[in-house]
Order: sequence, then structure tokens, then C-alpha cells
Amino acid sequence: EVVLTQSPGTLSLSPGDTATLTCRASQAVSRIHVAWYQQKPGQAPRLLIHEASTRATATPDRFSGSVSGTDFVLTIRGLEPEDFAVYYCQQYGNFPYTFGQGTKVDI
Amino acid sequence: QVQLVQSGAAVKKPGSSVRVSCKASGGTLSTVAISWVRQAPGQGLEWMGGVVPIFGTPKYAQRFQDRVTISADESTSTAYMELSGLTSGDTAQYYCVRSIGTWGTGFGVWGQGTLVIVSS
Repeated sequence: EVVLTQSPGTLSLSPGDTATLTCRASQAVSRIHVAWYQQKPGQAPRLLIHEASTRATATPDRFSGSVSGTDFVLTIRGLEPEDFAVYYCQQYGNFPYTFGQGTKVDI
Repeated sequence: QVQLVQSGAAVKKPGSSVRVSCKASGGTLSTVAISWVRQAPGQGLEWMGGVVPIFGTPKYAQRFQDRVTISADESTSTAYMELSGLTSGDTAQYYCVRSIGTWGTGFGVWGQGTLVIVSS
């Protein structure tokens, strides 16, 4: 199965900062089969980005997804207080679908 | 806007089974992939399997292959996940998820989650 490794595990930042989250796959994954989700405490995850760089409906444009070599990157520019959460990457191109272990963005 | 409403929390004995339902409102289940994802307390997300109702045959993660059954009733827009042989390690929040499209698309809509506690 495809193992996704997210880094860093925790990112301690302040409102207004830029967060850069990375997700590396253990084998080749098509960029169209990568997504990012946000999860806040006590809530279900929410789709932010799919196809590596396409924002989901209602995702603010401060969130962007990109590919850098074999790494998938989620960038959050100008962190807002509501952005402090856990972020997961996912690949859905190979079965079983797999998620990274998560990156916590906290203050 | 499609919404997914799951059945309520359950407390089960070790060795028993649990069935969680997921009803869609405002949209169809037939032509999209419905997956089940679980999250143990304080842990990450784990895909268990899913089904595209019009295709029929579910797909399962190997580690759950022998214990999970995923199905969907198109007439009631309801999906089901049954997990047997429960152990304390199955204590988790279980989410149903509706993909944007069929296989190979992102998880666009999530249910609210169903907490399953396995305890003697």
C-alpha cells in the first residue's frame, strides 16, 4: 500500500504566518489523486483541496496545493485563528486509499 | 447540497458485531463512491472500504477484508457498514464519506461520525 508521510508532525505558528505542510508518498501517485483535509477537534474532516491543487467549494484562497518533485505541499498564507487544526493528506489513486498521519498546526 | 446522517453511538461487547447506517439527503448515492473511514481516539484516519452502488462490488482494505461488509440501498439512499468480531481496538469514530464522483475522486461530503465503543 502507498504510505504517506507528512512533515512536520506539529507546526507552531502565529496568526498571519504562512504554513507549509508536506506529504511524501512511498511510491508514485498521480497528482490528480491527492487531497488535503482539515479536521478540528470534535468535528469530521473537511475536504480542502483535491487533485493536488483544486480548491473545494468554500475553501478560502489562502489555501493552496502544489507538487514539488515527489512531494505534495499544502500552503496556508496568512493564517487565520480558525485555521489552527490538524491537516491530513490522502491518496485515492491506489487501493487501499491511505492517509498521512496528520500535521497539527497550532499556536 | 448532499448531507450524510449517520446512526447513533453504540456500545458493543467484544466478539459482537456493529452495523452503522448512513442516509443521504439532497442527493443520490448510486453513482458515487461511498467509503467508510474510521478514527481511533487521538489517532489518524483509516480507510476501511467503500462501494459505488451502481457498480455493486465493494472494495475493502485488506486488514478489514474478513470482518467488514459495506453495502448500499439505492431505494432509500442509505449505506451500511457492518463490522464483526469486535475488539477493544475497534473503539473509534466511524465516518461515512461521499466522494465527489466514482472511484478516484476526493472525499467531498462527510457524515457526522458514529462512535462505537467496544467494552466488556
